[in-house]
Amino acid sequence: ELKVEQNPLFLSMQEGKNYTIYCNYSTTSDRLYWYRQDPGKSLESLFVLLSNGAVKQEGRLMASLDTKARLSTLHITAAVHDLSATYFCAVDAREYGNKLVFGAGTILRVKS
Amino acid sequence: SQTIHQWPATLVQPVGSPLSLECTVEGTSNPNLYWYRQAAGRGLQLLFYSVGIGQISSEVPQNLSASRPQDRQFILSSKKLLLSDSGFYLCAWGRGGTNEKLFFGSGTQLSVL
Repeated sequence: ELKVEQNPLFLSMQEGKNYTIYCNYSTTSDRLYWYRQDPGKSLESLFVLLSNGAVKQEGRLMASLDTKARLSTLHITAAVHDLSATYFCAVDAREYGNKLVFGAGTILRVKS
Repeated sequence: SQTIHQWPATLVQPVGSPLSLECTVEGTSNPNLYWYRQAAGRGLQLLFYSVGIGQISSEVPQNLSASRPQDRQFILSSKKLLLSDSGFYLCAWGRGGTNEKLFFGSGTQLSVL
């Protein structure tokens, strides 16, 4: 069974601080996605990581992928309140027909 | 540009009643279509996906079904809802291929009482 595990599941942080969300997965995949979901809203695509060592940055968020370790990280730099949301990683699993399997999500709350 | 429409946004249904959620995509042809469910405070669970008209794959056994009567239309149905069917249902589309990125609809919050 494919497992996609995120940690932490809940993160409360102060504005201006840095933190990292981790996404571990149990299959061989070199394609991983990060999504953001605001409360009661749909999912918004943040990053698509397509190879080992891929790093992408958008504003205060930076995502990386290590396919050998089966690990992706989402690093938050100098957090601001607007980043409060739930963040999901999703793995493109070949043995599952290239369907996306999602982690449970990390609820991020940035306090002023 | 491509857009995905999903309705209704919210739905309250009694146990045992039928269900029909509709999703349509505009601006693309032959998309892969997906139905996901998100239980409260949980991650997303893939329910169904379709690579073409009339082609439906089910991921988990349940009392839900899906149909794709037209290329850009995907319908989620149930003959008799259960309490456990409550959740946030998301339709998504992708272009397929090995680097597929999904685009999600706005979701339907279903409460079964």
